[in-house]
Amino acid sequence: SQQGEEDPQALSIQEGENATMNCSYKTSINNLQWYRQNSGRGLVHLILIRSNEREKHSGRLRVTLDTSKKSSSLLITASRAADTASYFCATASTDSWGKLQFGAGTQVVVTP
Amino acid sequence: DAMVIQNPRYQVTQFGKPVTLSCSQTLNHNVMYWYQQKSSQAPKLLFHYYDKDFNNEADTPDNFQSRRPNTSFCFLDIRSPGLGDAAMYLCATSRKRTSGGYEQYFGPGTRLTVT
Repeated sequence: SQQGEEDPQALSIQEGENATMNCSYKTSINNLQWYRQNSGRGLVHLILIRSNEREKHSGRLRVTLDTSKKSSSLLITASRAADTASYFCATASTDSWGKLQFGAGTQVVVTP
Repeated sequence: DAMVIQNPRYQVTQFGKPVTLSCSQTLNHNVMYWYQQKSSQAPKLLFHYYDKDFNNEADTPDNFQSRRPNTSFCFLDIRSPGLGDAAMYLCATSRKRTSGGYEQYFGPGTRLTVT
């Protein structure tokens, strides 16, 4: 069964704008990860946030984690056309050693 | 560059004709995964290897088998493909990060078409 629920399902923005997407999950986690997938390609790891962390940054990416609400958000600042992709959150539960459960993804389109 | 390689990138097979997809890695990771991803859906884990230890997901059909002859290679065998098995198949690897937790490294995927 799917652990993560993501919203929105799709997001269309213009270059330079910020893109925010959210992920909610159901069970206790060890960490939560965000991946990007360009059309027809494999997934690329973006960022990992552990359950005892609240916020993490990587370049133009900012991830937050609220374990009390079982939710996470990914913010892409100053978006570029190259950011057009699907973004997936994935959770690693506390009772697994690394198995990930992926959400359904948010499809982001950035228009020039 | 260290990477995860999948061959072929596109595979067409006939209904019921066995097919094998391959994955190799130069990362020397001890864990390898196979995922099935249908259009606009999340990747669905089929099985994984922790070293030579095979772990099948409970809802993976018996039609799907896997082999890992050595650390570098892993194969996905579909014994009798049905139309519903048409999908992107993703191979991934991971190792334990020193800070705890695992990130996965994905290959580009093999898109399987069943005619």
